[in-house]
Amino acid sequence: SQQGEEDPQALSIQEGENATMNCSYKTSINNLQWYRQNSGRGLVHLILIRSNEREKHSGRLRVTLDTSKKSSSLLITASRAADTASYFCATVATSGSRLTFGEGTQLTVNP
Amino acid sequence: DARVTQTPRHKVTEMGQEVTMRCQPILGHNTVFWYRQTMMQGLELLAYFRNRAPLDDSGMPKDRFSAEMPDATLATLKIQPSEPRDSAVYFCASGLLWTGGSQPQHFGDGTRLSIL
Repeated sequence: SQQGEEDPQALSIQEGENATMNCSYKTSINNLQWYRQNSGRGLVHLILIRSNEREKHSGRLRVTLDTSKKSSSLLITASRAADTASYFCATVATSGSRLTFGEGTQLTVNP
Repeated sequence: DARVTQTPRHKVTEMGQEVTMRCQPILGHNTVFWYRQTMMQGLELLAYFRNRAPLDDSGMPKDRFSAEMPDATLATLKIQPSEPRDSAVYFCASGLLWTGGSQPQHFGDGTRLSIL
């Protein structure tokens, strides 16, 4: 069963707008990771946030983590058509190293 | 850039046939994962290996699926006999991981399998 649940399932925005995706999970985690998947390709790691971190930035990406609410958000600022992809959150439990993926958010950025 | 390589990229075969999917992990990575992705179930972990030893294959149907790592440069996933419900995209990923480790996984581009 999936650990994470992304919200929304699909998001369509215009180029230049910001995109926010949310992820909720159920168990205690060591870290949470976000991945991107372009159509017909494998997943690409975007950013990792540890359980003792609250916010992390990488270029146009900003990730927040609230362990008390068991939730995370991914913000993509100034979106581009090339950001069109599915975005997945994945958690690593405190007791292991395997990733458990959510169902993903399909982001469409219209030019 | 180092990449995980999967072959074949596409496979179409009839039910009952044996299917073998191959993966070359990134050199130096100690952990290899096999995932299956479908519209209905999303991404499911089938099995993973650390230092070539199987650690967890609880996600795999044991009667028809088998995963091996004959050497550090090759991981295989076999289905025998294949069934239409096995149709999916199978991903291999590798990483430098340990318990509670905080390193990303690197994915191949998958094998798109269709069982007729």
